[in-house]
Amino acid sequence: GDSVTQMEGPVTLSEEAFLTINCTYTATGYPSLFWYVQYPGEGLQLLLKATKADDKGSNKGFEATYRKETTSFHLEKGSVQVSDSAVYFCALEFSGSARQLTFGSGTQLTVLP
Amino acid sequence: NAGVTQTPKFRILKIGQSMTLQCTQDMNHNYMYWYRQDPGMGLKLIYYSVGAGITDKGEVPNGYNVSRSTTEDFPLRLELAAPSQTSVYFCASSYSGGRSSYEQYFGPGTRLTVT
Repeated sequence: GDSVTQMEGPVTLSEEAFLTINCTYTATGYPSLFWYVQYPGEGLQLLLKATKADDKGSNKGFEATYRKETTSFHLEKGSVQVSDSAVYFCALEFSGSARQLTFGSGTQLTVLP
Repeated sequence: NAGVTQTPKFRILKIGQSMTLQCTQDMNHNYMYWYRQDPGMGLKLIYYSVGAGITDKGEVPNGYNVSRSTTEDFPLRLELAAPSQTSVYFCASSYSGGRSSYEQYFGPGTRLTVT
């Protein structure tokens, strides 16, 4: 079945450091790919998405590129801030599946001042 | 515009008790979902609905029931609570239309402990 594998956390960085969170997927066909973010005590929010190969999603300084050849969708940010501390989830969706999302296990990011 | 609201925020149940987690959305979304999130894990889909009167099982439906009598509401019922159902429960909704992907909007969650 479809699955998403995320880089294990937790990840701790200093402010202004470069961030990469790895995400790879296994799926038949070409799913849409998402990054969701969960701030402490809140529900998940969409951070960015990409719907086809080579698409780049971006938002709030975060970026991820849909790489079909490596089945990856790694999340990057050039300079993290304390306010980026959260749990990040990679997810995939097939359009014919009632928009069901398959999530990775999440990566806890802590940014220290 | 409240988005997706869930009640209660917290609940402690004894083994064998029953309860209903409430979920309401005001965005006129036709798709709604229930997930559970266990510590250190991603979200697992319990049930989903593609419209009023239509529900279907997700990955982990055992021990739960749902109904969808209106577009806005999608309650989740636990009939005989078990410790394995201790988790954080999230309701979500999304719009369906064409072939584009639309984001799911999540509620703030219900933290349930069964002892």
